[in-house]
Amino acid sequence: AQTVTQSQPEMSVQEAETVTLSCTYDTSESDYYLFWYKQPPSRQMILVIRQEAYKQQNATENRFSVNFQKAAKSFSLKISDSQLGDAAMYFCAYRTAGYGGSQGNLIFGKGTKLSVKP
Amino acid sequence: ETGVTQTPRHLVMGMTNKKSLKCEQHLGHNAMYWYKQSAKKPLELMFVYNFKEQTENNSVPSRFSPECPNSSHLFLHLHTLQPEDSALYLCASSQARAAGSYGEQFFGPGTRLTVL
Repeated sequence: AQTVTQSQPEMSVQEAETVTLSCTYDTSESDYYLFWYKQPPSRQMILVIRQEAYKQQNATENRFSVNFQKAAKSFSLKISDSQLGDAAMYFCAYRTAGYGGSQGNLIFGKGTKLSVKP
Repeated sequence: ETGVTQTPRHLVMGMTNKKSLKCEQHLGHNAMYWYKQSAKKPLELMFVYNFKEQTENNSVPSRFSPECPNSSHLFLHLHTLQPEDSALYLCASSQARAAGSYGEQFFGPGTRLTVL
């Protein structure tokens, strides 16, 4: 069974600085999708960035980028020029690319709470 | 309304009450999900519906009863709950089983449930 591990329960970053959140996963599949979700204190979970395992190029969305290391099964999130609004819980998630009853299901890590200091 | 909506946003109920949570998605998706999020615990997937058919029930107690009348609406009927059922209940939807689709899930704002 696939698992997702976020080894940093909490992280802190100074405003305008860069922070990297770690995520590792375990799978025997070769094709899959990876996601980072953000859950601010208002509780609305929103998608930050996504990556398909077959795409070697790391995904980038404005100040958010990932470092996808397929062989190492690592999918870290880098936030550049951190802003106060980036403070939130960040969840890493995995989804199989195969077909079947559980094809749409996401497997989540336990999350990393990010604080941004002014 | 856009995205995924949930009502009510907050609910306080006694252990003998019966209440229902409602989720509606306006994204044209074909899969819907219920999650339970408790403090200091990972997200727990409760139920999955694909094309209105329940495809997953993760050993959820029978006091939680889901209903999916169509691909846009999802309900969670609650009865005789316990205080430990107090949590944030999140609904999500996705476009499942679509070739080439990332299939990411879009979440609603959640219902904060307190069981007295």
